[in-house]
Amino acid sequence: KQEVTQIPAALSVPEGENLVLNCSFTDSAIYNLQWFRQDPGKGLTSLLLIQSSQREQTSGRLNASLDKSSGRSTLYIAASQPGDSATYLCAVFTPGNTPLVFGKGTRLSVIA
Amino acid sequence: DAEITQSPRHKITETGRQVTLACHQTWNHNNMFWYRQDLGHGLRLIHYSYGVQDTNKGEVSDGYSVSRSNTEDLPLTLESAASSQTSVYFCASSESRQGAGELFFGEGSRLTVL
Repeated sequence: KQEVTQIPAALSVPEGENLVLNCSFTDSAIYNLQWFRQDPGKGLTSLLLIQSSQREQTSGRLNASLDKSSGRSTLYIAASQPGDSATYLCAVFTPGNTPLVFGKGTRLSVIA
Repeated sequence: DAEITQSPRHKITETGRQVTLACHQTWNHNNMFWYRQDLGHGLRLIHYSYGVQDTNKGEVSDGYSVSRSNTEDLPLTLESAASSQTSVYFCASSESRQGAGELFFGEGSRLTVL
């Protein structure tokens, strides 16, 4: 059974800092991995989707990397801003398993 | 723009009542999903569908049912609401085969069972 872990559960950083959010998964036979953002009281918004054949994906100040063999992904946020404050979740799709298994998220606070 | 909408956004009901949460998407996606989100548990899959007339149980399906009569809608029914079903419910959809594609979420339905 696929399990996804995100550490730390919460993170507070000063504005302007570059930061890394971590996601690990137990079964390396994934098809893809997605990173989502969730603002309080809102639904999840897809940020990046990385296929198993890719090493990384970039969107603006966000860069997500994938190391299948070690069961890890990182989300790099450059020059963080208060508007980046949200909960970030990762999810993996593993063929033969139930759809998208989610981590519990990392709650990020960027302090001005 | 295509979107996914959930209704009602907020509902309070009593134990034992039947409740239906609606989910409607305009992307024409084959795959639709229902999750619940609770503190300490994260997102948990309730039911999902890969197409019309197809439904499947997720990890927390007891007490819930779905039906898929068309591509656009996947209503979630709580047959007899229980206090343990107080939660925020999210509907999502995706395009790719067997749920492998990018997932799009609705804004959520907050349900309180008294």
